[in-house]
Amino acid sequence: GAGVSQSPSNKVTEKGKDVELRCDPISGHTALYWYRQSLGQGLEFLIYFQGNSAPDKSGLPSDRFSAERTGGSVSTLTIQRTQQEDSAVYLCASTSGGAVSGNTIYFGEGSWLTVV
Amino acid sequence: KQEVTQIPAALSVPEGENLVLNCSFTDSAIYNLQWFRQDPGKGLTSLLLIQSSQREQTSGRLNASLDKSSGRSTLYIAASQPGDSATYLCAVRPVAGNQFYFGTGTSLTVIP
Repeated sequence: GAGVSQSPSNKVTEKGKDVELRCDPISGHTALYWYRQSLGQGLEFLIYFQGNSAPDKSGLPSDRFSAERTGGSVSTLTIQRTQQEDSAVYLCASTSGGAVSGNTIYFGEGSWLTVV
Repeated sequence: KQEVTQIPAALSVPEGENLVLNCSFTDSAIYNLQWFRQDPGKGLTSLLLIQSSQREQTSGRLNASLDKSSGRSTLYIAASQPGDSATYLCAVRPVAGNQFYFGTGTSLTVIP
């Protein structure tokens, strides 16, 4: 596609429910990132996918968070048993090369999650 | 762990003024540094990318410099316009690890 596409753009969910956030990266981009941006906070790294390599999950805050990337393209971030502190903007980004290629990183518009 | 700091946190200037945004990072072992713009309710848009071997990059009214040894970068905006109002973030890609490290941004307001 023309850019990184994320859905839903907004999600309000009740505490304790599970949510799935989807990211469709730019076609041909092998690297995909998920970041979280809380109100007034900086961007927090969650997970990194590169091609067929094992993902770097070092940023996932708890075992309630998981992500997968199917066929090297679309990625889904799943949050189980949501808590109010999970409320944030979840940003997906992709780039054409590996982490060392020095290529520009492109972000989606984000999925705004509110847990009530 | 890499830490990225941006000063000032907020800046308000009259239209037409030239301005400088600052970014500092603690570990100079980086592949590159990028400057982004974020409008309210939107994602991040890349403005300039500087490789570690480069000293500066220019795009239109924007000029970004990099002094890797001192852990500093600046974003210079010439002849500011109200449309430049946004939050500007810098991010570094360290040699070690897979993630980009972001600063908390500078919120810029250009007053007509």
